[in-house]
Amino acid sequence: AQSVTQLGSHVSVSEGALVLLRCNYSSSVPPYLFWYVQYPNQGLQLLLKYTSAATLVKGINGFEAEFKKSETSFHLTKPSAHMSDAAEYFCAVRGDTGANSKLTFGKGITLSVRP
Amino acid sequence: GAVVSQHPSWVICKSGTSVKIECRSLDFQATTMFWYRQFPKQSLMLMATSNEGSKATYEQGVEKDKFLINHASLTLSTLTVTSAHPEDSSFYICSARQGAHGGETQYFGPGTRLLVL
Repeated sequence: AQSVTQLGSHVSVSEGALVLLRCNYSSSVPPYLFWYVQYPNQGLQLLLKYTSAATLVKGINGFEAEFKKSETSFHLTKPSAHMSDAAEYFCAVRGDTGANSKLTFGKGITLSVRP
Repeated sequence: GAVVSQHPSWVICKSGTSVKIECRSLDFQATTMFWYRQFPKQSLMLMATSNEGSKATYEQGVEKDKFLINHASLTLSTLTVTSAHPEDSSFYICSARQGAHGGETQYFGPGTRLLVL
């Protein structure tokens, strides 16, 4: 079984401030972890993924995430927020591989960026 | 990254009609594709998993006769909403999986917004 917890539904930061979006996971096997971003009325775009290589993963648009097994966390960060970062962010886990493996999504967090 | 397209991007139809949504992986072959439904301000709900050349696997509570899925080729999957009703109005998103052996990544289409009147 696998699950993802994204605490809170909304994060608001000022432009130029640090962005921190939290994600905790539960998985009975070593997980694969993903962050996706969704802009209004669009599908999901992959930001980054962790697949058991380096624990610090760098993604697109200046985002990165660190896998911490002891904390079962995979928090997403960006040093300096930009107005264009305003969107919905989803953390997802896949706890197995093969034809029947599935992603389990968190409920998502809305990021707002204030001028 | 890999590109997944969906067509149409939005559709309005009358109650009782059927609507077909196409999902294509443009620059890779996808043996597995997924169909999701998303309600406003909510996360994605997996409806079904389709593997090329075989019947789709539906999630619990999803009516397979209502939501027909065909995955006829490695780059195309279709979702047909049969006898659509207003409660079927939603945002439908497909996803195609690329890679294998633990390195699989799902890429998502831009979504199709369905409004049933």
